[in-house]
Amino acid sequence: GQQVQQSPTSLVLQEGENAELQCNFSTSLNSMQWFYQRPGGSLISVFYNPSGTKQSGRLTSTTVIKERRSSLHISSSQITDSGTYLCAMERSNTNKVVFGTGTRLQVLP
Amino acid sequence: EAAVTQSPRSKVAVTGGKVTLSCHQTNNHDYMYWYRQDTGHGLRLIHYSYVADSTEKGDIPDGYKASRPSQENFSLILELASLSQTAVYFCASGYTEVFFGKGTRLTVV
Repeated sequence: GQQVQQSPTSLVLQEGENAELQCNFSTSLNSMQWFYQRPGGSLISVFYNPSGTKQSGRLTSTTVIKERRSSLHISSSQITDSGTYLCAMERSNTNKVVFGTGTRLQVLP
Repeated sequence: EAAVTQSPRSKVAVTGGKVTLSCHQTNNHDYMYWYRQDTGHGLRLIHYSYVADSTEKGDIPDGYKASRPSQENFSLILELASLSQTAVYFCASGYTEVFFGKGTRLTVV
């Protein structure tokens, strides 16, 4: 089964609205990371967040390792935020980094 | 910022032919990874390596080989390319926090 569940799978916002993306893990993990990808583009690390809360501009990530979940909050969304957001975890007791299938975000003017 | 360079950026291969995808990192990372990305599947781990001259199987290794001749270089080899291997391939390096190359779009015809 899917070890990394992301929700929602897709999201459409009006510019200026906030977004909350969720990532849940079915196994224990050492750390997790959020990535951003434009269609046909590379993956850009948004947050490396093994635990706690991190903020960068309009983006905030909160990871609770014991509860096996992480969230990415985007405030005052902009059209340029459109793309796919992927979360990834490093599984405990392995060297493997496993990805979710992503949340496709579309911000409309 | 970590630098991971993939080559070629795109390739068209014939079924049954041999394909080699190359990856070079300049960050002194021990860990390197090869992923493939398909619509609806997110990123799936093919092979990874944590030391030169050694590779490990990921979650979908069948039909692929990997080679790590040095710490900086990690190649993915398709000995007999098949139509089902049409995908975008990403190389990454790092441990817990990973950094990605720009991807290689492979089309097998």
